[in-house]
Amino acid sequence: NAGVMQNPRHLVRRRGQEARLRCSPMKGHSHVYWYRQLPEEGLKFMVYLQKENIIDESGMPKERFSAEFPKEGPSILRIQQVVRGDSAAYFCASSQSRSSGNTIYFGEGSWLTVV
Amino acid sequence: AQKITQTQPGMFVQEKEAVTLDCTYDTSDPSYGLFWYKQPSSGEMIFLIYQGSYDQQNATEGRYSLNFQKARKSANLVISASQLGDSAMYFCAMRSYSGNTPLVFGKGTRLSVIA
Repeated sequence: NAGVMQNPRHLVRRRGQEARLRCSPMKGHSHVYWYRQLPEEGLKFMVYLQKENIIDESGMPKERFSAEFPKEGPSILRIQQVVRGDSAAYFCASSQSRSSGNTIYFGEGSWLTVV
Repeated sequence: AQKITQTQPGMFVQEKEAVTLDCTYDTSDPSYGLFWYKQPSSGEMIFLIYQGSYDQQNATEGRYSLNFQKARKSANLVISASQLGDSAMYFCAMRSYSGNTPLVFGKGTRLSVIA
């Protein structure tokens, strides 16, 4: 688990504001995944990125949510015009590749509260 | 489509006893990986153990072992010599290695270890 860094750990936003969540993958990992966890539920896949590319965004809401993983710097999950229903824990994970046997490690999560 | 089923919402175990957490999965892909994660009350997702679909032997990591029964499509987690610190949510997850399929999670099992 060590090595995937997420910040902030906790974020409070008022309705209508923007939330930006950052994720630095483990050293040597070029694959990043974002998941959302609502209270008392499992993790739901949102988006899968490689450097500068979105591979799979089938779990992303169509509006207000976007993600990027630039050539330099962390991956960013951006939520515009937040609503109360966006309150959740957002987890980032990384892996070295998507090949068989490559373990996926998670960060400690970012808890978003919309008030 | 892939699916993970964890049928035990909650489990209790006496300290020092062994416990088995059930997980069944559904996939038509012959190549896939199975993962178990632990989520303590502090919220982080901790990787525990991995089993590849072509691995001949059941995976073991310290007190954790994975009882992989491919024909039954089950991947139960066995925790031996339970400790109070094992109290947490446990999630089973799988990933198919064909296509860009993401890691899919079950709903989790809450394990409580009793002194």
